[in-house]
Amino acid sequence: EVQLVESGGGLVQPGGSLRLSCAASGFTFSNYRMNWVRQAPGKGLEWVSYISTGSTTIYSADSVKGRFTISRDNAKNSLYLQMNSLRAEDTAVYFCAREKGNTLDYWGQGTLVTVSS
Amino acid sequence: QSVLTQPPSVSAAPGQKVTISCSGSTSNIGNNYVSWYQQLPGTAPKLLIYDNNKRPSGIPDRFSGSKSGTSATLGITGLQTGDEADYYCETWDTSLSAGVFGGGTKLTVL
Repeated sequence: EVQLVESGGGLVQPGGSLRLSCAASGFTFSNYRMNWVRQAPGKGLEWVSYISTGSTTIYSADSVKGRFTISRDNAKNSLYLQMNSLRAEDTAVYFCAREKGNTLDYWGQGTLVTVSS
Repeated sequence: QSVLTQPPSVSAAPGQKVTISCSGSTSNIGNNYVSWYQQLPGTAPKLLIYDNNKRPSGIPDRFSGSKSGTSATLGITGLQTGDEADYYCETWDTSLSAGVFGGGTKLTVL
């Protein structure tokens, strides 16, 4: 069974940093591209970042470019999102999602990040 | 404002049919595959339709997808109260080099 479990969320002050993790199991992690998607409270889904299987290709939304960094460790079956210079508008539930073909076929349950003083 | 445009809400009675539209441009829907996701309250999104019109295993054929030009449509027939959820379209935008979602449509089954 495919499982994606996010962790690392919490309360952080504006300007602070946080590192999210996504532990993958039930499939060969190294064979799949991965994404982060977020959802602000009461709002819609917003794509955040993409990483290829070998980490050679990375894309990020303009709203996080230069502040957030996606990475992966295929040996540990893990995906990460390093978030720096956090702003109030980054407050959201962050989901990791597996990409298969042209779609996001499995999603984690999400981890809540709250940026507030 | 989302790159892809969806109606904020739709509603229909149980047993009826509803369609949800998703409008984009040549840089996204016009030249890439569209996916649709269902998000029940308090849960993670779930894949409903991929590659414009394909259903993953386990998704009933009451759900269908289509694409024409720069627009896509999700159709749901035989509406059930359990279908009440938010629905999102998604694709890749080649010009932005970014994934893009519609703003979401809240389905109410009256």
